Amino acid sequence: DIVMTQSPDSLAVSLGERATINCKSSQTVLNSSNNKKYLAWYQQKPGQPPKLLIYWASTRESGVPDRFSGSGSGTDFTLTISSLQAEDVAVYYCQQYYSIPVTFGPGTKVDIK
Amino acid sequence: QVQLVESGGGVVQPGTSLRLSCAASGITFSSYGMHWVRQAPGKGLEWVAVISYEGRKKYYTDSVKGRFTISRDNSKNTLYLQMNSLRPEDTAVYYCAQGVEEQQMITWFDPWGQGTLVTVSS
Repeated sequence: DIVMTQSPDSLAVSLGERATINCKSSQTVLNSSNNKKYLAWYQQKPGQPPKLLIYWASTRESGVPDRFSGSGSGTDFTLTISSLQAEDVAVYYCQQYYSIPVTFGPGTKVDIK
Repeated sequence: QVQLVESGGGVVQPGTSLRLSCAASGITFSSYGMHWVRQAPGKGLEWVAVISYEGRKKYYTDSVKGRFTISRDNSKNTLYLQMNSLRPEDTAVYYCAQGVEEQQMITWFDPWGQGTLVTVSS
């Protein structure tokens, strides 16, 4: 199984400042045949289901604000919120869909400082 | 608008069974792989099972193999999860989620249902 880890466990950022979340996979999620990285990011607010933010590691889902961006290589990925807004307070999860079982990172909680 | 609505959760005793349902609307249900994902109280997300768009292929996380069965009825646009021999550690909110890419077993998930809570306790 591919193990996903995230860092930090939590972070507090001032409004308007940058928040950076890291995600690491225990093996590559890059498919060399199509050069795609099988990595997605989700946002989950209390009492709500997860919401898709990013797929293919860097493709923003339609309707997601452009302050959210994703980047990374075959095993190391980053979700960046360029200017934190109050509505961004949530837990963020990375997910690999390179192989079964699909696995999620443990989550990173983002709060306002 | 795509909508997934789970039902069937509740409080059950260890060793008993429960069947969850997920009714889909607004999509061509029969074109997409469907997943169950669970979240124990205060914990992270755990993928449980997937079923292919036509229902022929099924995969499970190790902890539920032999106890849970995923199925679908494409004529009713409904996904199911039959859960047998339930354990306290199965206590969680169970979400159904649609695989995004048509006819693919493994993709990212969107949308997700609102979830149904299963509590296994004596």
